[in-house]
Amino acid sequence: SQQGEEDPQALSIQEGENATMNCSYKTSINNLQWYRQNSGRGLVHLILIRSNEREKHSGRLRVTLDTSKKSSSLLITASRAADTASYFCATDANAGNMLTFGGGTRLMVKP
Amino acid sequence: DTAVSQTPKYLVTQMGNDKSIKCEQNLGHDTMYWYKQDSKKFLKIMFSYNNKELIINETVPNRFSPKSPDKAHLNLHINSLELGDSAVYFCASSQQGAVTGELFFGEGSRLTVL
Repeated sequence: SQQGEEDPQALSIQEGENATMNCSYKTSINNLQWYRQNSGRGLVHLILIRSNEREKHSGRLRVTLDTSKKSSSLLITASRAADTASYFCATDANAGNMLTFGGGTRLMVKP
Repeated sequence: DTAVSQTPKYLVTQMGNDKSIKCEQNLGHDTMYWYKQDSKKFLKIMFSYNNKELIINETVPNRFSPKSPDKAHLNLHINSLELGDSAVYFCASSQQGAVTGELFFGEGSRLTVL
């Protein structure tokens, strides 16, 4: 099974609204990362949060991490049509420090 | 300047053939990876490789083999292609420290096996 699992699988909102995506994982981690993938493109790193951090901001992005619940959330504020993409969380829990990705949340922002 | 580049971008081939996908990174990273993304967008790690160690995901069939001529290149060779190998394959790289940092991905190579 996937180490990280995103929820919801798909999300459709209007421009200007906030979008919240959640990620749950199973084992202890060193860090958790969020990536974005536009249709037909490669993944692009958005933000990394370490296991000893609880919250991190980057522009319109806010990431939280709750290690006791083994969960993280990604909040995109004041969404734009250009934010339409798939968003993945990734953790480094596996041997060899390989990043393991969840199934992603497909976000659609309607203009 | 493309950081991680893969070729070809599209590959259509028949079952049973052998094919390779090439990957190059100009970031000076010491670790490279191959991921497989299926039609449902699930990303699965296949290999992690630096100049010291190859780590293979045990679920990857031995028809898949990474080949690294040097630190900047990690090619993926696939023998006896099967229908289920159809997917998008992504190469990535990172600077490996004590923990895994940010990955830089290529644009993907879409493989279609007929």
